[in-house]
Amino acid sequence: DQQVKQNSPSLSVQEGRISILNCDYTNSMFDYFLWYKKYPAEGPTFLISISSIKDKNEDGRFTVFLNKSAKHLSLHIVPSQPGDSAVYFCAAGGYGGSQGNLIFGKGTKLSVKP
Amino acid sequence: DSGVTQTPKHLITATGQRVTLRCSPRSGDLSVYWYQQSLDQGLQFLIQYYNGEERAKGNILERFSAQQFPDLHSELNLSSLELGDSALYFCASSPRGDYQTYNEQFFGPGTRLTVL
Repeated sequence: DQQVKQNSPSLSVQEGRISILNCDYTNSMFDYFLWYKKYPAEGPTFLISISSIKDKNEDGRFTVFLNKSAKHLSLHIVPSQPGDSAVYFCAAGGYGGSQGNLIFGKGTKLSVKP
Repeated sequence: DSGVTQTPKHLITATGQRVTLRCSPRSGDLSVYWYQQSLDQGLQFLIQYYNGEERAKGNILERFSAQQFPDLHSELNLSSLELGDSALYFCASSPRGDYQTYNEQFFGPGTRLTVL
């Protein structure tokens, strides 16, 4: 059973508009959440994170929102740029145990059209 | 450039064979993680090593094994390869390896394994 779900495999947005990528999780024990961006033929690159004790974290054009009661987080990109076109992975970590590995969603492919 | 290197970049082999994938973590990072990304799948955690010791195990097959050497580089060994093992294999590293600190991981470019 998937603990981290990204239900939209793809998203298309016009340049300059907002991109909203969504992620749901099932395990309330996760301690932190991260977003990674992946271009073809490259490894994932860290984008932004949020601790489970916060509900918002902002870094430039990127903002992550966490709704713990709904077990939902979202990544907002404003304004979207063509260079943002990539696959975005949501990941969760900590889950109250002693492991440091991350659990990833399947990714959402974002296309930003000029 | 994340500072994590993986070799080889591509690997093509036949069913039943054995291959070794290599990973060098970022300078100073003690933890190494291996992930598998199959077609249309997210990254599946395989195994984690911290300072030479196995720290956590995910959905790693018995045909797969890994180790981390004293210089902290790691190798993932895949044996008795099957067609379904064709995937991208990523290595990641982090300064520490436990949940007590925020654990951003830095990923290498991956090794694409094709089993024919």
